[in-house]
Amino acid sequence: DTAVSQTPKYLVTQMGNDKSIKCEQNLGHDTMYWYKQDSKKFLKIMFSYNNKELIINETVPNRFSPKSPDKAHLNLHINSLELGDSAVYFCASSPGPDRGRQETQYFGPGTRLLVL
Amino acid sequence: DQQVKQNSPSLSVQEGRISILNCDYTNSMFDYFLWYKKYPAEGPTFLISISSIKDKNEDGRFTVFLNKSAKHLSLHIVPSQPGDSAVYFCAAREYGNKLVFGAGTILRVKS
Repeated sequence: DTAVSQTPKYLVTQMGNDKSIKCEQNLGHDTMYWYKQDSKKFLKIMFSYNNKELIINETVPNRFSPKSPDKAHLNLHINSLELGDSAVYFCASSPGPDRGRQETQYFGPGTRLLVL
Repeated sequence: DQQVKQNSPSLSVQEGRISILNCDYTNSMFDYFLWYKKYPAEGPTFLISISSIKDKNEDGRFTVFLNKSAKHLSLHIVPSQPGDSAVYFCAAREYGNKLVFGAGTILRVKS
């Protein structure tokens, strides 16, 4: 049973389009994250939500907007896609600050986005 | 500016021998260090972690050593197995539970 799942796994789209990536975790965690792995293979955090509240918002273009309908879901919506958005996007989750072992984040399988 | 560096892009080791993966960091405020393993087309999988107040943590074949004065940590895998072949990422935790990752080291274990 998948702990952190993402859909879709692959996404190929044209420049200028708007797309969403969904993430769900069934671990009962309070905190969820979005990371981007660029062409140089660096994993960099984009956003973090704790109990549906935004707690980390790195320097990310406004075209990227996370949405957390409940603490088990964190979706990523991207407007006006650009070529440079092509990357692998990983969702992750961890226990909340008061739940212990918060430092251990569990990652989803990734969504490979290609913007043409 | 890379706060977490893995200076070896790749490492090749014979099956049964020890694999040593290294990681250096610059930010003395990091309070936890983690190692993740990643297979192609999969997400990173948590392997082992160490608090900044410790200098060693062991879990089966995996041991992480932390040298705070040198701002250096290493992951030892003994004995190495072909299934250990993967990309290994070093990560460090800072404020807000934010993880900062290194670029990764490709480990190849030859049988």
